[in-house]
Amino acid sequence: GAGVSQSPRYKVAKRGQDVALRCDPISGHVSLFWYQQALGQGPEFLTYFQNEAQLDKSGLPSDRFFAERPEGSVSTLKIQRTQQEDSAVYLCASSLGDLAGGTGELFFGEGSRLTVL
Amino acid sequence: GQNIDQPTEMTATEGAIVQINCTYQTSGFNGLFWYQQHAGEAPTFLSYNVLDGLEEKGRFSSFLSRSKGYSYLLLKELQMKDSASYLCAVMDSNYQLIWGAGTKLIIKP
Repeated sequence: GAGVSQSPRYKVAKRGQDVALRCDPISGHVSLFWYQQALGQGPEFLTYFQNEAQLDKSGLPSDRFFAERPEGSVSTLKIQRTQQEDSAVYLCASSLGDLAGGTGELFFGEGSRLTVL
Repeated sequence: GQNIDQPTEMTATEGAIVQINCTYQTSGFNGLFWYQQHAGEAPTFLSYNVLDGLEEKGRFSSFLSRSKGYSYLLLKELQMKDSASYLCAVMDSNYQLIWGAGTKLIIKP
């Protein structure tokens, strides 16, 4: 597609429910990031993929969070046993090369807004 | 620790000029980015500075001083559509982006 696509755009989950958020990066983009953004705050890093390899998952807040990108394109962020503090917008971004190879300009999707009741 | 500081909110008048400052302390430096984010939308790229000095792009300019850990985004001839949050982000030594909390810019007629 022309841009980064995320689904669902909005998700309401009951506490304890598992959710899966999908990201379709720009075709051919090597790098893929997941961020968590709370209202009025900047994006907080969750995890980074270079192709199918998850090179950095230091930002994942707990072992309830899991991300994968098995074929180096589409990525899924899974949150198990959701808690109210997980309510946020989850942003996916992709970049053409690995960040060491260029300006690192990121192209963002419009995000998935998760509300946990 | 790593830290990016920028004002929380600024107000300016349509047609005027506004400067949004950003100071940073990071482990290494591989460039500084400015992104614009309208409410409920994705951030969009505005500028990238890796060398000291001013980069001009139309109505928007971005300045960097690496020795001072300082950047600013200058917006000229403000338009109502410029009302948005402006995010400063620094690429650290691991080539990861460290983000500021953003500056909400309010434009008044």
